Amino acid sequence: GIQVEQSPPDLILQEGANSTLRCNFSDSVNNLQWFHQNPWGQLINLFYIPSGTKQNGRLSATTVATERYSLLYISSSQTTDSGVYFCAVDTGANNLFFGTGTRLTVIP
Amino acid sequence: DVKVTQSSRYLVKRTGEKVFLECVQDMDHENMFWYRQDPGLGLRLIYFSYDVKMKEKGDIPEGYSVSREKKERFSLILESASTNQTSMYLCASSFGDWPEKLFFGSGTQLSVL
Repeated sequence: GIQVEQSPPDLILQEGANSTLRCNFSDSVNNLQWFHQNPWGQLINLFYIPSGTKQNGRLSATTVATERYSLLYISSSQTTDSGVYFCAVDTGANNLFFGTGTRLTVIP
Repeated sequence: DVKVTQSSRYLVKRTGEKVFLECVQDMDHENMFWYRQDPGLGLRLIYFSYDVKMKEKGDIPEGYSVSREKKERFSLILESASTNQTSMYLCASSFGDWPEKLFFGSGTQLSVL
């Protein structure tokens, strides 16, 4: 099956810093989504981005499908950005395969 | 906003009990999913449904069944709960033809003793 690797596994930032999270996948995909899981366990959909670039406030994402990777950018990080960030991909099997996540801690 | 509601936040059951986890969505979504989340293993798909009374097995369906009698409700059933089914269970839904954005409920932490 498809492999989804996220890096780094853990990241600690000072409030106000910028960061880049990476998602590599091993096969062609027709669906890629980024999620944020807050410390209470709620998963929030950040982006649906099978290709191209999207921006939403301080967050933006870029997927280069031909190179099989996606990047999530967080600018001017805030403590509320803490949590685990997942990317998930679908190869056409009507099923999202999740990476193991990047745990982000933003300290004041 | 899309609302996906799971009936219980925490649940404690005994080995061998039959367990029902309920999920309701309020946005008329066609597709509904059940995942479990375990440390180090990430999220894994148990079952999904793309229409009323339809169901498809995911990656780890063993020990589980599902029911979708109404469009807004998707139930996960543990026929005879076992300790290795202790986990966080997450329900999700999406609109229309796949692929579409996935929206999650807040999860049910199930402990089987």
